[in-house]
Amino acid sequence: GAVVSQHPSRVICKSGTSVKIECRSLDFQATTMFWYRQFPKQSLMLMATSNEGSKATYEQGVEKDKFLINHASLTLSTLTVTSAHPEDSSFYICSASTGQYYGYTFGSGTRLTVV
Amino acid sequence: AQSVTQLGSHVSVSEGALVLLRCNYSSSVPPYLFWYVQYPNQGLQLLLKYTTGATLVKGINGFEAEFKKSETSFHLTKPSAHMSDAAEYFCALPTGGSQGNLIFGKGTKLSVKP
Repeated sequence: GAVVSQHPSRVICKSGTSVKIECRSLDFQATTMFWYRQFPKQSLMLMATSNEGSKATYEQGVEKDKFLINHASLTLSTLTVTSAHPEDSSFYICSASTGQYYGYTFGSGTRLTVV
Repeated sequence: AQSVTQLGSHVSVSEGALVLLRCNYSSSVPPYLFWYVQYPNQGLQLLLKYTTGATLVKGINGFEAEFKKSETSFHLTKPSAHMSDAAEYFCALPTGGSQGNLIFGKGTKLSVKP
């Protein structure tokens, strides 16, 4: 089945530094990747949608300059949290449209802790 | 606007008892509906989905859900709970067609007592 590999699973960084999260589609071409953020004991909130070779579309309220998304190939999308602060600490999950009829697959998530 | 409402943020059942997790939706177009399960610090795993055809959908791990248009509901059930079913469950529906993102309900945490 369609698999998305997300790395790292956990990362702790110092305030002010940048962190990159990668999502790779292993056995299919992910033309569209969705990035979600999940706060503790809450639901998933869409941050942005990226399509291969084009700029990401961000949801209202999401800072484009803080959350940089790159989708340079059909198998790799990255989310970079720039100048991270403690309030950016959260669980980030990517999801890819598999190309099958209403098919979605999710990465295993990244727990970001900013200290 | 499309939306998903999950009634009950926390459901607790005894092992072997019926599991019922409620989901209601609002959609101006015929909806497609999903149920996902999330274990701690993990991504989401698809349990089942309704697209077209039979309104009773069978999924993995013994779960099933019935699409009821008249009630705008898509409740998830399992006849007999197992300890391994303890997790967070999310109901979702896609926006913008088959390539659009999913919008999620707030989730229901299922606890299973021995």
